[in-house]
Amino acid sequence: QQPVQSPQAVILREGEDAVINCSSSKALYSVHWYRQKHGEAPVFLMILLKGGEQKGHDKISASFNEKKQQSSLYLTASQLSYSGTYFCGTEDRGQNFVFGPGTRLSVLP
Amino acid sequence: KAGVTQTPRYLIKTRGQQVTLSCSPISGHRSVSWYQQTPGQGLQFLFEYFSETQRNKGNFPGRFSGRQFSNSRSEMNVSTLELGDSALYLCASRVGDSGNTIYFGEGSWLTVV
Repeated sequence: QQPVQSPQAVILREGEDAVINCSSSKALYSVHWYRQKHGEAPVFLMILLKGGEQKGHDKISASFNEKKQQSSLYLTASQLSYSGTYFCGTEDRGQNFVFGPGTRLSVLP
Repeated sequence: KAGVTQTPRYLIKTRGQQVTLSCSPISGHRSVSWYQQTPGQGLQFLFEYFSETQRNKGNFPGRFSGRQFSNSRSEMNVSTLELGDSALYLCASRVGDSGNTIYFGEGSWLTVV
């Protein structure tokens, strides 16, 4: 079953922060985050494996609440290069992997 | 280490024809998945193959089929093409076990006229 992402779209000014949420009705083993720019393939951002795990890279970080089956992606001090569509992917213990519908992020100068 | 390679990158077909797309996964990856993405849409899951066996299948008509070879390379075939099949077809590979990163190829752009 496809996870739910919110918001569907967000527009930011350079330097502003954003949070993208991903939730599932199934028990999750891992959550993956990807960013896709127009006309390109999705690019891996990070994977979260343990409940409560948080990861970060540069000014992009994520958390995974296993009990709530939720993950959030945090983009701090957004840059123009952050624009794109963000997909979360969820995996259950049966190795079933499914992507969310995506969140379109636009960063304006 | 070479990434996921898809061929061809671009192709134009006529309605009613069939098409075969190829994907070479990253060395050591035994799982290959295929996705369809139409303009402005998300990643629609087609199927996943693991060690030559179809492990999961999405909600696509039987015109869409795939297979995986012993070297983990995979092909997908679409028969009796329709205009609505025009899309970016993405192949992704991973080691196969839970919790492993999925890597995407650059995709094959299919236009049906």
